[in-house]
Amino acid sequence: AQRVTQPEKLLSVFKGAPVELKCNYSYSGSPELFWYVQYSRQRLQLLLRHISRESIKGFTADLNKGETSFHLKKPFAQEEDSAMYYCAQRDNYGQNFVFGPGTRLSVLP
Amino acid sequence: DAGITQSPRHKVTETGTPVTLRCHQTENHRYMYWYRQDPGHGLRLIHYSYGVKDTDKGEVSDGYSVSRSKTEDFLLTLESATSSQTSVYFCASGEVSYEQYFGPGTRLTVT
Repeated sequence: AQRVTQPEKLLSVFKGAPVELKCNYSYSGSPELFWYVQYSRQRLQLLLRHISRESIKGFTADLNKGETSFHLKKPFAQEEDSAMYYCAQRDNYGQNFVFGPGTRLSVLP
Repeated sequence: DAGITQSPRHKVTETGTPVTLRCHQTENHRYMYWYRQDPGHGLRLIHYSYGVKDTDKGEVSDGYSVSRSKTEDFLLTLESATSSQTSVYFCASGEVSYEQYFGPGTRLTVT
């Protein structure tokens, strides 16, 4: 079965520090990978998608097929980045999205 | 918020009773999804739909059924609710296969 792991349940960093949220996937083919974010009292929303290679709100993520990783990075964390972050993958044959357990990012002042 | 609503937003029900949750979208999206969210598991896909009357199972479909008779509505039914189905349920929709816009969630408690 496909699995997405996010080893950190909680990650705390100080404002202005770099942040990296880890994600590893298990799909052996060419998965489609995503990062979703849920801010307090808001709906879950797409942050970025690996195929688009965009930088959203200063976040980037690189797909490393050798390490089967898709870590989310930002060079300088802001307090408004505090949220729950989910890594997700979708196989190429259907609509089966698999989400990781999530990492809560807390950016301290 | 892509015009996605869920009803009810909160529900408490007893073990063994049937429960139906409704997802409604006004975007004419082709794809719709039902997830459950539990601590330590993130979101797990229950069922999805890729068109009217076209549905398929997700990772955790046992004990759940779905129906989609109109583009805008996707219903999730718990045939006989159990305590293990206490969860927060999220609906999502999207026009293309990689796209998902999420609803606000329904908190279901089975006593």
